[in-house]
Amino acid sequence: GEDVEQSLFLSVREGDSSVINCTYTDSSSTYLYWYKQEPGAGLQLLTYIFSNMDMKQDQRLTVLLNKKDKHLSLRIADTQTGDSAIYFCAESVDDYKLSFGAGTTVTVRA
Amino acid sequence: GAVVSQHPSRVICKSGTSVKIECRSLDFQATTMFWYRQFPKQSLMLMATSNEGSKATYEQGVEKDKFLINHASLTLSTLTVTSAHPEDSSFYICSARDLAENSGNTIYFGEGSWLTVV
Repeated sequence: GEDVEQSLFLSVREGDSSVINCTYTDSSSTYLYWYKQEPGAGLQLLTYIFSNMDMKQDQRLTVLLNKKDKHLSLRIADTQTGDSAIYFCAESVDDYKLSFGAGTTVTVRA
Repeated sequence: GAVVSQHPSRVICKSGTSVKIECRSLDFQATTMFWYRQFPKQSLMLMATSNEGSKATYEQGVEKDKFLINHASLTLSTLTVTSAHPEDSSFYICSARDLAENSGNTIYFGEGSWLTVV
């Protein structure tokens, strides 16, 4: 079965790096995604990683994947106030249905 | 980039009435779209998979007669909540996958629709 877990809250000072962690259980996951949700809004795709990769970098975002431990992380460098939001990790297997974690609420303080 | 649009973004309806939510892929074709439901401060739960030209596939526990899904074209799927009750009040959000070879298998979400049943 699929079960994705995330820490629920993260508080970070503006300018610091944020690291959001996620674990998943389905070893046959093909893609793993990070989405951002601002209050009252839909989901914005931030980045994704294919399961045979261990790292992906996209500007301020770095995704690390440890397939052996089924651990995924998202690092946001130089965190800004606009990064305050809920971040969801999600896994898909072979039919592109996504299983989501509960979301990590990131609060950026000045 | 690819965009998925939902309409309406907010709707209030009376208990017992039906309400339709549209999900459109604006610049790509999607044979499959997905409908999710999100309760306040909770994660997204998949309700059903919408298949163009065929019946939707519902997840366990989701009433297909209550949540009618129609995927009549490659760019449009609709979710109709029939005989709505206050407990149906929720945030409904759809997603679609860009089938283009260079799309990177990305899955895009709409902005979501807030349904309030009074």
